[in-house]
Amino acid sequence: AQSVTQPDIHITVSEGASLELRCNYSYGATPYLFWYVQSPGQGLQLLLKYFSGDTLVQGIKGFEAEFKRSQSSFNLRKPSVHWSDAAEYFCAVSSNTGKLIFGQGTTLQVKP
Amino acid sequence: NAGVTQTPKFQVLKTGQSMTLQCAQDMNHNSMYWYRQDPGMGLRLIYYSASEGTTDKGEVPNGYNVSRLNKREFSLRLESAAPSQTSVYFCASSERHGYQPQHFGDGTRLSIL
Repeated sequence: AQSVTQPDIHITVSEGASLELRCNYSYGATPYLFWYVQSPGQGLQLLLKYFSGDTLVQGIKGFEAEFKRSQSSFNLRKPSVHWSDAAEYFCAVSSNTGKLIFGQGTTLQVKP
Repeated sequence: NAGVTQTPKFQVLKTGQSMTLQCAQDMNHNSMYWYRQDPGMGLRLIYYSASEGTTDKGEVPNGYNVSRLNKREFSLRLESAAPSQTSVYFCASSERHGYQPQHFGDGTRLSIL
């Protein structure tokens, strides 16, 4: 069965530091992968998506993610974190039934 | 540019009461979804409508019903609310079902006493 694992429930980084959020997926075929961000009291906003092609994808707000088939990973990165990046981040895979399967989320706290 | 609009934003119900959550999208999307979000459990799919005129169960459908009123609107009904249905409910839409990003509303925060 398809699944998504985000190993880190909570991460704290200092403003200006680099960020990497981990995502591992279980999927038999070529996965369609997404990263979403959820600010407090808001819905989920799509950051970026991977369907095929270049394994390094660029998204909004300065985020990027790298697809590594050999590691079944799709980690999200940002070179320099801003206080406004504090939010919850969800990785998701589109399953062969057409549904999105979400990880449990990683909460990012940014220290001044 | 509204996207996906959910009403109401907040609601408190008593156990046994009924309630309909409304969702409308203005992106001409074919597919619509209802999720619930609970702490530590991510998002779980309740029901979805792959296209106008069809609805299907998701991961946690018990206690809920849905209606795809037209291409724009997809409602979620709780016939007899239970405390276990206290949650944040999100509606989402996508251009078509499968391998597409979904666009989310801002959610309905529902408390059942």
